[in-house]
Amino acid sequence: NAGVMQNPRHLVRRRGQEARLRCSPMKGHSHVYWYRQLPEEGLKFMVYLQKENIIDESGMPKERFSAEFPKEGPSILRIQQVVRGDSAAYFCASSLGLAGSTQYFGPGTRLTVL
Amino acid sequence: AQTVTQSQPEMSVQEAETVTLSCTYDTSENNYYLFWYKQPPSRQMILVIRQEAYKQQNATENRFSVNFQKAAKSFSLKISDSQLGDTAMYFCAFMKNNAGNMLTFGGGTRLMVKP
Repeated sequence: NAGVMQNPRHLVRRRGQEARLRCSPMKGHSHVYWYRQLPEEGLKFMVYLQKENIIDESGMPKERFSAEFPKEGPSILRIQQVVRGDSAAYFCASSLGLAGSTQYFGPGTRLTVL
Repeated sequence: AQTVTQSQPEMSVQEAETVTLSCTYDTSENNYYLFWYKQPPSRQMILVIRQEAYKQQNATENRFSVNFQKAAKSFSLKISDSQLGDTAMYFCAFMKNNAGNMLTFGGGTRLMVKP
């Protein structure tokens, strides 16, 4: 019963480097959501993707952040030129995409920027 | 835009006792969904319970139940017979009734179950 998979679980980058976070949705799900959790806060929506399409990126910072969900392979959240403020836990969730569909979460990637 | 408020940053309860976590939300939508997620120290987000706004009956899942008051826009979580494994952050979340919609989360309540 493979759930949502994320890797790496922990990622350390120096300021100015690039971070790539991967997410494989639950089997049968083709809708992926990325959320960011800053320390001691709730999760904040970043972007919603279907295969080969970005549906809603209203929560994504305008610069340095991008996301994709190719036809083959996992969804990727990419952060260029990381800064210390990017340090957070990044969670991926997947669902069937129907109205009210439950979103199931991966274990998250904890990004630390030195 | 929707907002979700959890007014209790921290709570504690004795093992085997009952505790209620509060959640209020603000929306102009009539149809929507509400969720409680649990985040234990492992940081994995685990679905606890969900409620459809069009259903008047309160959802229950074993020891977990909700008190959904639509007019008051309130969605509290009751945990009965608390267990040590219930120690976690609990997040209330709102979803509009559209396909593929995002979750809007509250700030969380840290629950400590004491032996």
